[in-house]
Amino acid sequence: GQQVMQIPQYQHVQEGEDFTTYCNSSTTLSNIQWYKQRPGGHPVFLIQLVKSGEVKKQKRLTFQFGEAKKNSSLHITATQTTDVGTYFCAGLGGLTGGGNKLTFGTGTQLKVEL
Amino acid sequence: GAGVSQSPSNKVTEKGKDVELRCDPISGHTALYWYRQSLGQGLEFLIYFQGNSAPDKSGLPSDRFSAERTGGSVSTLTIQRTQQEDSAVYLCASSLAAAVGGYTFGSGTRLTVV
Repeated sequence: GQQVMQIPQYQHVQEGEDFTTYCNSSTTLSNIQWYKQRPGGHPVFLIQLVKSGEVKKQKRLTFQFGEAKKNSSLHITATQTTDVGTYFCAGLGGLTGGGNKLTFGTGTQLKVEL
Repeated sequence: GAGVSQSPSNKVTEKGKDVELRCDPISGHTALYWYRQSLGQGLEFLIYFQGNSAPDKSGLPSDRFSAERTGGSVSTLTIQRTQQEDSAVYLCASSLAAAVGGYTFGSGTRLTVV
């Protein structure tokens, strides 16, 4: 079945440093989505990428979808304490199947220290 | 409603008892999903509904788990003869339609089997 891996599993940064999490799928994806889950909270939708090579920005966050539509990344510039949480990518199966539900990545837990 | 509502928010049950978890999706969202999240882990897909039909039940861990959705709205996830390994946060999400847009998650039901 479809698998979605993320690295790193954990990341500690000093406030103001940059942060990147990488997402890799075992299969080609129709689209990829990113979610943020604050400690004790539930996942909240951030963005969806559909096109090969697509890049989208939300303030300090930059999202990329790979040319082969099998990988993605989230980059945060100048982290703040409000960025603390776990970031999940989630892929929707493409040509090789996966159905109509998202397969979530393993997540990257970000901690930001002052 | 304005968001996805889940009840109860917390449930402690004795091993061997049955439990019912309820999800009330956003009005007009035809797709509804159940995921499970163990402490510090990722999201494990259980089942999804498009309308009242469940095209994909592949994530249900055993025949002790079942779910239904009525009137294209409220869904109930039932776990029979609960076991300690069933302890987790059960998250419900909805979207406009399957494979369309991001998911809106509820706050989850934290199930503890003692």
